[in-house]
Amino acid sequence: AQSVTQLGSHVSVSEGALVLLRCNYSSSVPPYLFWYVQYPNQGLQLLLKYTSAATLVKGINGFEAEFKKSETSFHLTKPSAHMSDAAEYFCAVSDRWWTGGFKTIFGAGTRLFVKA
Amino acid sequence: EAQVTQNPRYLITVTGKKLTVTCSQNMNHEYMSWYRQDPGLGLRQIYYSMNVEVTDKGDVPEGYKVSRKEKRNFPLILESPSPNQTSLYFCASSQTRQGVTGANVLTFGAGSRLTVL
Repeated sequence: AQSVTQLGSHVSVSEGALVLLRCNYSSSVPPYLFWYVQYPNQGLQLLLKYTSAATLVKGINGFEAEFKKSETSFHLTKPSAHMSDAAEYFCAVSDRWWTGGFKTIFGAGTRLFVKA
Repeated sequence: EAQVTQNPRYLITVTGKKLTVTCSQNMNHEYMSWYRQDPGLGLRQIYYSMNVEVTDKGDVPEGYKVSRKEKRNFPLILESPSPNQTSLYFCASSQTRQGVTGANVLTFGAGSRLTVL
């Protein structure tokens, strides 16, 4: 069965500092991996996705994530935090079914605080 | 604009009073799904639909019903709401054709915050 673990329900960084949000997954098949971001009072938006191409994936707003199969990790990073990055971030893993369907499992989320 | 629209955005109701949360998407997506979001638990899937007239249970289906009579609509029905269904609900859709940009990527509605007293 698939699962996703996000380490740290809250992360606080100073503006301009490195952002590192940790995600480990479990999957019996090569997974699709995603990071979604949720701003206050909004739905989730796709930040980036890994679908078995390049292991380093670049997303929107300067975020990137690296797929490490040996560590079953997909950590999200950004070199320099901006105040507008304050939001909740969800890591997700998705499989694929022979019927063409899929199931997406979400982590519990990490809330990012950015201090001025 | 490509979007998923949910209504109502906010609702306060009482135990046992049937309610429906509507969801509509304009992207011709085959796949639609309902999630509930609770603090510390992330998003949990309630029901999903692979296409018209095809629905199936997710991880937390108890107390909910859905239907998919048209491709664009996927309403969530609470026949007899209870306080433990107080939550933030999200509808999402995706295309499922593999090899196409956007496959497996979920597009979410803005959410519906439901309080059951």
